[in-house]
Amino acid sequence: DTAVSQTPKYLVTQMGNDKSIKCEQNLGHDTMYWYKQDSKKFLKIMFSYNNKELIINETVPNRFSPKSPDKAHLNLHINSLELGDSAVYFCASSRPLAGGDTGELFFGEGSRLTVL
Amino acid sequence: AQTVTQSQPEMSVQEAETVTLSCTYDTSENNYYLFWYKQPPSRQMILVIRQEAYKQQNATENRFSVNFQKAAKSFSLKISDSQLGDTAMYFCAFTPKVTFGTGTKLQVIP
Repeated sequence: DTAVSQTPKYLVTQMGNDKSIKCEQNLGHDTMYWYKQDSKKFLKIMFSYNNKELIINETVPNRFSPKSPDKAHLNLHINSLELGDSAVYFCASSRPLAGGDTGELFFGEGSRLTVL
Repeated sequence: AQTVTQSQPEMSVQEAETVTLSCTYDTSENNYYLFWYKQPPSRQMILVIRQEAYKQQNATENRFSVNFQKAAKSFSLKISDSQLGDTAMYFCAFTPKVTFGTGTKLQVIP
């Protein structure tokens, strides 16, 4: 059983389209994240949710909208896709840094988005 | 603000040799953990090793060990007996707001 799963793994689309990436975790974690990894492999946090509540919202265009229907799911919707949105998007989950937990991130396999 | 710096964009090492990857960080937090993650060409992010900031003893996991210098805010990764499967990007990171360094691309040469 995959702990953190993302779908789709690959996504090729045209500029201007709208697309979504889904993420689910079965680890019972309260916190979930979206990271963007660009072509230079730099990992930048985009959003973080704790128990369905948005706690981190980095400087990300409004075209990106996360949605967390429950604490096991965090989806990412992107409107009006641009060439610069091409990247690998990673979903991750963790327990909070407390009570002996380390805050370690558990990652999904990533979703490679290519905008043409 | 939390920052992580990895000053070696690329490194190479001969198979069976030892290599050390550098990482420095800055934070005002007192309680935090430090991590090294590995990303092979398969792109999966894999935890290599973790270190508790309040523990003086350096963490070790088989061939992987860290040199943690809290006062200097330094957290380097040593890989002993390098294997071809160690070829990957290596990222340093720390909590609570998990911030990643820019990564070091390690190539193990046969």
